[in-house]
Amino acid sequence: EAGVAQSPRYKIIEKRQSVAFWCNPISGHATLYWYQQILGQGPKLLIQFQNNGVVDDSQLPKDRFSAERLKGVDSTLKIQPAKLEDSAVYLCASSLGIGSYEQYFGPGTRLTVT
Amino acid sequence: ILNVEQSPQSLHVQEGDSTNFTCSFPSSNFYALHWYRWETAKSPEALFVMTLNGDEKKKGRISATLNTKEGYSYLYIKGSQPEDSATYLCFNTDKLIFGTGTRLQVFP
Repeated sequence: EAGVAQSPRYKIIEKRQSVAFWCNPISGHATLYWYQQILGQGPKLLIQFQNNGVVDDSQLPKDRFSAERLKGVDSTLKIQPAKLEDSAVYLCASSLGIGSYEQYFGPGTRLTVT
Repeated sequence: ILNVEQSPQSLHVQEGDSTNFTCSFPSSNFYALHWYRWETAKSPEALFVMTLNGDEKKKGRISATLNTKEGYSYLYIKGSQPEDSATYLCFNTDKLIFGTGTRLQVFP
């Protein structure tokens, strides 16, 4: 079974530029999560999708971050414009459902904003 | 407790030592608690999903217990090995919050 795919693995951009990350979850997984993990902290949930609907985006900085999962399969997360404090690892995870289902994580995208 | 807290933040042990760490979480409206292991340069990997008060789960030398009434879970590693070196994270599914993790280093 293929795991969660993410691209790119690394990205370096200057502040005020835009960047997009892509995630393809495990086939059949209805729930998809995007997390931001800053060094020394636990991953912080940015947005949770159930199929193509948003379940929780309360911690997504909507003035600069956007995410979509139009067909209920793969997803993109965009930052526009980027700030220095956006430097982090962005993790995508998927699960069969919400709550008691374990999450399967992709390799992450390490973003550096200079 | 309003947040998910883990202790200690880091732990250094010798190979063969047994160790344990704690995850504390809000006990109201509890649904499930996950434990994940995150090795450097790899993706987080699920260890346990715990839902019932008094749950005890085991995978090899690693086990976990759950107390939903008082809002804590313990993770135990028996006879630590260098390959157990990783950050261990707990995740509260009601609050959708990860703890900050316990970074374990096992020295040969």
